[in-house]
Formats: sequence, C-alpha cells, structure tokens
Amino acid sequence: DAKTTQPTSMDCAEGRAANLPCNHSTISGNEYVYWYRQIHSQGPQYIIHGLKNNETNEMASLIITEDRKSSTLILPHATLRDTAVYYCIVRVRTNAGKSTFGDGTTLTVKP
Amino acid sequence: NAGVTQTPKFQVLKTGQSMTLQCAQDMNHNSMYWYRQDPGMGLRLIYYSASEGTTDKGEVPNGYNVSRLNKREFSLRLESAAPSQTSVYFCASSDVMRFRLGEQFFGPGTRLTVL
Repeated sequence: DAKTTQPTSMDCAEGRAANLPCNHSTISGNEYVYWYRQIHSQGPQYIIHGLKNNETNEMASLIITEDRKSSTLILPHATLRDTAVYYCIVRVRTNAGKSTFGDGTTLTVKP
Repeated sequence: NAGVTQTPKFQVLKTGQSMTLQCAQDMNHNSMYWYRQDPGMGLRLIYYSASEGTTDKGEVPNGYNVSRLNKREFSLRLESAAPSQTSVYFCASSDVMRFRLGEQFFGPGTRLTVL
C-alpha cells in the first residue's frame, strides 16, 4: 500500500475553511484515499473517501489531483469541535487490513 | 445499536501478567481489527480478522494473540505483559458490503499501563 505524507500540524481560524493536504505519490490505480479524524484520544472517525473524482458529504470535501499523487481535505466552515488529528490513508478499498494510519495532521481551530 | 464496544476501559498490569481485551460489534460486520496507539503517534495494526474463522498479522503482532470467537467478538490477549505494551488499544470493524466500502468503525479504546 502507498504511504502518505502529511504536515505535522496546522492552525485555522474558526469559521474559515480548513484545507488539509496529503501527498501519496506512490498510489496505485486501485487504491482509494480515505480520511479519518481522531478527537481527543477517542476512536478515529471516518470522514470521506475517494478514488479519482472529487467527493463531498455532510462533513467535508475531498479534492484529488488529476495524477492522484496528492489530495486535500476541506472542512468548509471549521468550528472549535473540528480540532483533532486528521489521518490520510491510502489502500485498496476491500482490504482495510492494510490500513496504515501514520502520524496525521493535528488541526487546531482557533477562535 | 452500541456499535463497537471494548472492555475494560482502563487496566494496569504488572510486568509478566496476562490479560485479554474484549471487543464486540453489533453491526453484523465481517471484518474486525486491533490497533495500538502510543502517545503522540498514529495507530498501528496488530492483528485483523477479515472474516469469521480467519486472523492475520498486522504491522506489530509480536507479544499478542487474537481469537475471533464468533462474528461479533474479537479478543486480544497479552500472554506476558511488558512495559513496551503500555498503550491505548482500539478495536474496529468494517464490512466490504457497506456502501462506504471499507469504512471502519472504532471502539472507544482500552488504556493499558504495564508497570
């Protein structure tokens, strides 16, 4: 499975969009990009996933570059409750046993 | 639905003691997983069970054993605990038939300290 690179930490002002980048330059054609977040040592929570098209759900948007070597998770209107560690994972969709979480990005939303 | 439940929530062991961490899910998921998370780090996969009756090693299986008791339950055993196993342990489940294929649901974690 492809490895990912994320910044260690980021800050965002409350109410503004938070854009979290992830590099996955060795991604294979059948590998999806998944995003999870972990709030205050709770169990991680699924956010969104995609293959090559941009995706949007009630929580966030996922933008994947055309060459699929990087992606950006967008939280459109960040709130204080979005402060968390965000993990970008790349793996084959049907094999969650290959999920490597890495160290993620600590997003701090400031008032 | 309770989702994924784990017991106990907290545990303190002495070096060399054994214990079993319990995990159960009520979502009828086929796959279950055990992860550990050391302070300030991401999750590392210990073992997983793709379906009832099968188990496979993850990144860090040494010092652990697992049992997929039935479709609902997946336990993690430490036979002889070591201080290096001090960590937070998360159980998760998923089902490839869900519309969000591969989405994993996580339990609240077990905080284990080995003295």
